[in-house]
This record gives sequence, structure tokens and C-alpha cells, in this order.
Amino acid sequence: AQSVTQLDSHVSVSEGTPVLLRCNYSSSYSPSLFWYVQHPNKGLQLLLKYTSAATLVKGINGFEAEFKKSETSFHLTKPSAHMSDAAEYFCVYPGAGSYQLTFGKGTKLSVIP
Amino acid sequence: EAQVTQNPRYLITVTGKKLTVTCSQNMNHEYMSWYRQDPGLGLRQIYYSMNVEVTDKGDVPEGYKVSRKEKRNFPLILESPSPNQTSLYFCASSFLGQGRGDIQYFGAGTRLSVL
Repeated sequence: AQSVTQLDSHVSVSEGTPVLLRCNYSSSYSPSLFWYVQHPNKGLQLLLKYTSAATLVKGINGFEAEFKKSETSFHLTKPSAHMSDAAEYFCVYPGAGSYQLTFGKGTKLSVIP
Repeated sequence: EAQVTQNPRYLITVTGKKLTVTCSQNMNHEYMSWYRQDPGLGLRQIYYSMNVEVTDKGDVPEGYKVSRKEKRNFPLILESPSPNQTSLYFCASSFLGQGRGDIQYFGAGTRLSVL
């Protein structure tokens, strides 16, 4: 079955240091992939979307993600963490052949002042 | 303003008492879906709909019903709620124009407790 795996349930970084949130997908072809962010007590908001036009995707708030087919990865990065980045992040895969969406289990990002 | 509106935001009920959570979108989206979010499990899709009168099961449909009589509305119905349905529920919608990979717009969530 096709799926996404977020490799860390919790990541903690200091303010001003780089952020890396890891996501691996399982698929026999190059899928569409998304990253969504959920701030505390809020709904989910799209960060960025990969649709095969370019392997490096830039999103909102300085985040970007690189699609690597050879590694089946779609890791989310940001050069310098800000306190407002503290949230939960979800890697999302729209399944092949259907309209079901599969969410990773989420990575909670904490930013230490 | 483009939005997905869920009501109520908070609900406490008792086992077996039927309830409905409403969801409405004002963006003329064809696709709507319901998710539940539980700690450590992420979001799991309950049901989705690709247009009026077209619905299908997601990953965890047991104990839930949906209907899509109008394009803008997609209510979630719990005929006989049980404590294991205590969760945070999200409704989402999107266009289908770009296929299944289109951007989802989420409601603010409904926190349900079943006692």
C-alpha cells in the first residue's frame, strides 16, 4: 500500500538554527506530495506542494522541500527557525487511483528561545 | 472570504445520542472530506465526496455517515456515538480540477467528547 512515513514524531531546535523534518513516501511512481502545518488549536494550512514541475519546492514562511525520487523522500527544511514555526507538520500523499488522502502521523516542532 | 465552516466547535455528548456536525464551504469546491485527528495517529480520513450525491469511504468509516445533497454542505452524522469516537474532527474541501492532488482547505475543527 502506498503511504508516507514521517521519521520523527518530535523535533526540537533552537531559534535561528536550521530545521529538518523528514518524510519518506512509498509509491511505485512519482506522486504529488504536500506539507501542511497545524498551529496549536488551529486547522491545517498548506505549506507547499510538489507536483513534478520542479524537485525543489518553495513554500510559505521560508520553508522548502526537495523531492528525491532515488531516496523516496520529501524532507521539509528551513534555514533559520523562528518561534512562530512551533507547530505540528504533516506530510500528505494523495493516493494513486483514488481520491483518498493519506497523512503522515505528524512531526511536532518545538523552537527553543 | 473563502472558508470552510464547521459547527459546533466543541461538543460533549453521551453514548448513543445521535449527533450531526455540519460543514459548509463557500468556494464552490467539488471535493469535500472528513478527518479525525488522534494523538500519535495523525489525521485519518473518514469519508470523502467528489460531488453532489457521490461519497466514498476513507480509512476509518465505521460508525459514521455522511450525505452530500448540496455542493456546499457535507454533514457528518454519528447515529450512535461511542467513547472511541471522542476525537478532533476536521472538514476539508478542494477543487477537483487538478485531480486528486489539489490543495485542501480545512475548517477550524470540532472537538467531540462522548461520555
